Amino acid sequence: GEDVEQSLFLSVREGDSSVINCTYTDSSSTYLYWYKQEPGAGLQLLTYIFSNMDMKQDQRLTVLLNKKDKHLSLRIADTQTGDSAIYFCAESRANYGGSQGNLIFGKGTKLSVKP
Amino acid sequence: NAGVTQTPKFQVLKTGQSMTLQCAQDMNHNSMYWYRQDPGMGLRLIYYSASEGTTDKGEVPNGYNVSRLNKREFSLRLESAAPSQTSVYFCASSKEAGPPQETQYFGPGTRLLVL
Repeated sequence: GEDVEQSLFLSVREGDSSVINCTYTDSSSTYLYWYKQEPGAGLQLLTYIFSNMDMKQDQRLTVLLNKKDKHLSLRIADTQTGDSAIYFCAESRANYGGSQGNLIFGKGTKLSVKP
Repeated sequence: NAGVTQTPKFQVLKTGQSMTLQCAQDMNHNSMYWYRQDPGMGLRLIYYSASEGTTDKGEVPNGYNVSRLNKREFSLRLESAAPSQTSVYFCASSKEAGPPQETQYFGPGTRLLVL
């Protein structure tokens, strides 16, 4: 299909790990991104991974990329209530609309963290 | 260094009215973008400007016009607002429109209600 797919909701308990999954469509995407959106705010770039990498770790965040299955995941270790937000996966799709580097977003996964 | 700024933060319009949403970035980025975000949807690209002096249509350009006033500023105009344009509008910028410097940084958004 043409869409970037994510599950819409995820609920975890504080202190647990959260895993947010995403499937993308364009095997030629150069970068894949995770953005975080808190209520009433803009999108904050969390992390990104270059397509020739399998994994990237940044403090509590781990990104895993399976290019064969076009599957991207974001793991948040020791999830805190401040991590409650919507998380968007995005792929950079070359030549979309005639230009490179346009981002195609998933619909977002709403993460709820319960104390 | 403010990053990407947008004005206004909120706006209510009547059907048929016109308005311009302003966006500015102070990161010396070449590329700028306008997205809209609707409930339950990801972000959809309206227009983008790969570099000063160029603009191109994205996924949902109908009913909008843009102006890349200079390297810093990229405005979005609604000539005759319609209720279907009720949305949250985000501006973004990136160093370049393609890899490897395509990472996009977002403004806080403008919430628009068209009655």
